[in-house]
Amino acid sequence: AQSVAQPEDQVNVAEGNPLTVKCTYSVSGNPYLFWYVQYPNRGLQFLLKYITGDNLVKGSYGFEAEFNKSQTSFHLKKPSALVSDSALYFCAVRDINAGNMLTFGGGTRLMVKP
Amino acid sequence: EAGVTQFPSHSVIEKGQTVTLRCDPISGHDNLYWYRRVMGKEIKFLLHFVKESKQDESGMPNNRFLAERTGGTYSTLKVQPAELEDSGVYFCASSRLRGTGELFFGEGSRLTVL
Repeated sequence: AQSVAQPEDQVNVAEGNPLTVKCTYSVSGNPYLFWYVQYPNRGLQFLLKYITGDNLVKGSYGFEAEFNKSQTSFHLKKPSALVSDSALYFCAVRDINAGNMLTFGGGTRLMVKP
Repeated sequence: EAGVTQFPSHSVIEKGQTVTLRCDPISGHDNLYWYRRVMGKEIKFLLHFVKESKQDESGMPNNRFLAERTGGTYSTLKVQPAELEDSGVYFCASSRLRGTGELFFGEGSRLTVL
């Protein structure tokens, strides 16, 4: 069975500072990894994904994430946070040998303060 | 290209009543998924259609939930009779049959059972 853990319910950061939202995963095979963002009263928006290749992937709105196989992690990062980045962030994993289903973490609320 | 659309955006019903949620996927997307988020917890998988066929319905909580996708286009999710614990946000997502895995989500249907 596949699973995702987002250990922080909330992350607070000052505008202009770097941010990290943590994610660890567990799959039996090779993972496809995703980050989604949910702004208030909106649906989930795709941010970025890791399928294969370079461990550092870049996505929308200046976000990036680093795949670390040994630590089974896929932390989301941004060098300089904006107040408009405040939202709910979900990490998700798909085991490529176990169908198309995505398994999501519990979500992390990012609060960026001016 | 239109995104995934869901209707209604919010439904308030009493326990024991019936509600039907509708999802229109992105045109050409054969994969259609239903997920739900209850009480701010993880986004949980409910089921997966490939065209009109149920590929995986392992996440359906009980037989009060019925999903259909007649003709392989839009899908409906009926809850009958609704219980208090069914309250949450129901997300629909779609993807191409042979894509790299990211799902495109609708804005969700918030269900409140009183």
